[in-house]
Amino acid sequence: SQKIEQNSEALNIQEGKTATLTCNYTNYSPAYLQWYRQDPGRGPVFLLLIRENEKEKRKERLKVTFDTTLKQSLFHITASQPADSATYLCALDYSSASKIIFGSGTRLSIRP
Amino acid sequence: DAGVIQSPRHEVTEMGQEVTLRCKPISGHNSLFWYRQTMMRGLELLIYFNNNVPIDDSGMPEDRFSAKMPNASFSTLKIQPSEPRDSAVYFCASSLPGLAYGELFFGEGSRLTVL
Repeated sequence: SQKIEQNSEALNIQEGKTATLTCNYTNYSPAYLQWYRQDPGRGPVFLLLIRENEKEKRKERLKVTFDTTLKQSLFHITASQPADSATYLCALDYSSASKIIFGSGTRLSIRP
Repeated sequence: DAGVIQSPRHEVTEMGQEVTLRCKPISGHNSLFWYRQTMMRGLELLIYFNNNVPIDDSGMPEDRFSAKMPNASFSTLKIQPSEPRDSAVYFCASSLPGLAYGELFFGEGSRLTVL
């Protein structure tokens, strides 16, 4: 079955530094991969989508890479701020019928 | 648009009782997903629909769980009878289908506590 692994430990980063989160997957080649942000008590909110034929995608201070050979995506937040503190989830489509499954998430804390 | 609307936001019930969770997707979206989130298991896909038709319900834990989508603007997730291990936050999400529109829009969730 499909398995998605994210950094199992919480990530603590000094404000201003770049935070890098990892998402690894097995047993499938997704057509695209997504990243979401989730704040406590709220539903996940979509951030970025990257397709299998794209190596990198950027949006403001966010950058996502997608290496289909390594079966890995990296999510970067540059110039991190305390407001970036949240749990970040990666997700991928598991079938041509858009079955979207999620990793367990990485909790990111940015300290001032 | 009001976004995905879920109700109730919180429910506390006793073991054995029936629980019904409701979801109104974003107008025009024709894919709907039900997820369950716990600390131990993360965000699990329970079932999803395309054009009101259930496509994959392999994530539904057992026969106590059922989901329906009678029309494009409404879906329910029912648990009967409920058990303490069903306690979780249940999310509904909707999306437009197809490669270019994979983004999911989530509701705020229904927090269920079964005593």
